[in-house]
Amino acid sequence: KNEVEQSPQNLTAQEGEFITINCSYSVGISALHWLQQHPGGGIVSLFMLSSGKKKHGRLIATINIQEKHSSLHITASHPRDSAVYICAALPGPTSGTYKYIFGTGTRLKVLA
Amino acid sequence: ETGVTQTPRHLVMGMTNKKSLKCEQHLGHNAMYWYKQSAKKPLELMFVYNFKEQTENNSVPSRFSPECPNSSHLFLHLHTLQPEDSALYLCASSQGWTGGIYEQYFGPGTRLTVT
Repeated sequence: KNEVEQSPQNLTAQEGEFITINCSYSVGISALHWLQQHPGGGIVSLFMLSSGKKKHGRLIATINIQEKHSSLHITASHPRDSAVYICAALPGPTSGTYKYIFGTGTRLKVLA
Repeated sequence: ETGVTQTPRHLVMGMTNKKSLKCEQHLGHNAMYWYKQSAKKPLELMFVYNFKEQTENNSVPSRFSPECPNSSHLFLHLHTLQPEDSALYLCASSQGWTGGIYEQYFGPGTRLTVT
């Protein structure tokens, strides 16, 4: 079992739908990083959060430290949101490591 | 140029060739990373450099040889690769590596095909 699990693995939505991608982790963390990878391969940073909620445009990220769970929400989805969304956990200071632990990604396709 | 840049974006090489991947960051960061992304697998950390010193080598075969001449530039020298080394190679940078929460910024990647 991976230390960082994402669900769903694949998601197809109609334009305009509200989308939720989930990330659960089993290790203590300092922060969680949400990333977006487009078909060309480049990775864009979306959010890095340690607690609570962050919002940028149509994207919202939340984290519940006690439950070891984070969600990425996309409101009013658009075909240009089609990408792979990756969550990466930054281990906590007692872990002895500073390496990101990556989820396997959620492949999102938004249909027009 | 802003952010993290990588060249070339695509590379096809034979198993006996020698080639190099280049990464440059314009963010004033002190740490730089090489990652490998194979199809349908999570990103795998290969190397970390912090203030030009290698701090992580994730059991990478010696046919991959990194070089960090300064905090802004990172190279990955390739020789006698195998077809299974075909993958997307991503460079990233961050302000620091230890002692804080540092967000990593990624480059566009080099898609490598070994024939």
